[in-house]
Amino acid sequence: EAGVTQFPSHSVIEKGQTVTLRCDPISGHDNLYWYRRVMGKEIKFLLHFVKESKQDESGMPNNRFLAERTGGTYSTLKVQPAELEDSGVYFCASSQAGLAGKNIQYFGAGTRLSVL
Amino acid sequence: QQQVKQSPQSLIVQKGGISIINCAYENTAFDYFPWYQQFPGKGPALLIAIRPDVSEKKEGRFTISFNKSAKQFSLHIMDSQPGDSATYFCAVYNQGGKLIFGQGTELSVKP
Repeated sequence: EAGVTQFPSHSVIEKGQTVTLRCDPISGHDNLYWYRRVMGKEIKFLLHFVKESKQDESGMPNNRFLAERTGGTYSTLKVQPAELEDSGVYFCASSQAGLAGKNIQYFGAGTRLSVL
Repeated sequence: QQQVKQSPQSLIVQKGGISIINCAYENTAFDYFPWYQQFPGKGPALLIAIRPDVSEKKEGRFTISFNKSAKQFSLHIMDSQPGDSATYFCAVYNQGGKLIFGQGTELSVKP
């Protein structure tokens, strides 16, 4: 069974450009999460989808970030326009349906975003 | 505000030694305490986890010790091996399902 897949693995863009990150969760996982790790700091929660609905987006930094989950399957995270402080590694995780807090979250390998 | 504080930031241990990583949390509403292991180029993977109704959990060479009154928990790696070299993250979460991570510890086990 395939794990959580993220694309691209690395993206280098200039300040002001737009970037879209994609996450394909494990098949059948209703819960999908986005996290971000800025250099040397903790991994921080961005948002949580249950199927196609945003359950919690309290970690989204500002309105330059837009997350979608089409049909409850894959998810995209768009940054527009990108700023220098958006650089970091963006992780996606998924878990099975049910009480989200009791299910193991499986992480993708991450997308390393570099904004120059 | 930082709800989970992890130490040390980096750790060097000789093969066969014991690696100890500590975490402290602030909010008593957390009810699940996992440790994640991350190898370079990979995402974090669940290593071992504990619930607050027990004080210790052991899986092979990995042990979590949990002190509810002190709001602290730690990971012990016995007989550390070079293959254990990785970044380790403690985390907490509550009913909402969101993981709150510590800053991470880079462990290097020297042969």
